[in-house]
Amino acid sequence: IAGITQAPTSQILAAGRRMTLRCTQDMRHNAMYWYRQDLGLGLRLIHYSNTAGTTGKGEVPDGYSVSRANTDDFPLTLASAVPSQTSVYFCASSDSRGRRGHGELFFGEGSRLTVL
Amino acid sequence: DAKTTQPTSMDCAEGRAANLPCNHSTISGNEYVYWYRQIHSQGPQYIIHGLKNNETNEMASLIITEDRKSSTLILPHATLRDTAVYYCIVRSRDNYGQNFVFGPGTRLSVLP
Repeated sequence: IAGITQAPTSQILAAGRRMTLRCTQDMRHNAMYWYRQDLGLGLRLIHYSNTAGTTGKGEVPDGYSVSRANTDDFPLTLASAVPSQTSVYFCASSDSRGRRGHGELFFGEGSRLTVL
Repeated sequence: DAKTTQPTSMDCAEGRAANLPCNHSTISGNEYVYWYRQIHSQGPQYIIHGLKNNETNEMASLIITEDRKSSTLILPHATLRDTAVYYCIVRSRDNYGQNFVFGPGTRLSVLP
């Protein structure tokens, strides 16, 4: 079982370019999330999706967009990258309805993005 | 969801028990206590959670005080690989995951 797969593992990107971080889970979890982690600021929620077809804004959504066309995939797009979006991005999923487990989050291994 | 307070850092000798405290004095009746850890450069990893009873699994034990205002995560025999940042989070099971708020956590260093 792969769990959550993120791609790319790392990327260097020129400012102004468009970038999509991919996230796929094979656990059939209803909910998925994107966090960013910056030194000294901990993990901050960017966007989330409670079920396929729905998305919501987290704590730091500006400059990012997401889509949830199906259960398994939750891509994060930076339409026009800026240097302040340099960060490590973590995707997570959970069975938030509690039918399996107790809603705990399962994280991917992260995508390190550098915007120059 | 209730806020938590954890020490910034702790040291523990290898082979000894690591006891990581967490204060959550404003916890409400339907909120669970969750613990995660993050080993350097990896994604956070779920450890354990509980409501009011003490819990134990293959990774750790969770001791919750009777008034539920604080808890302690116990790693019974810490190893060097347990060096990580440990996060204590309280949230309701009825809430969706957007309410998993990660604070700065406790940086545990297991020393040889």
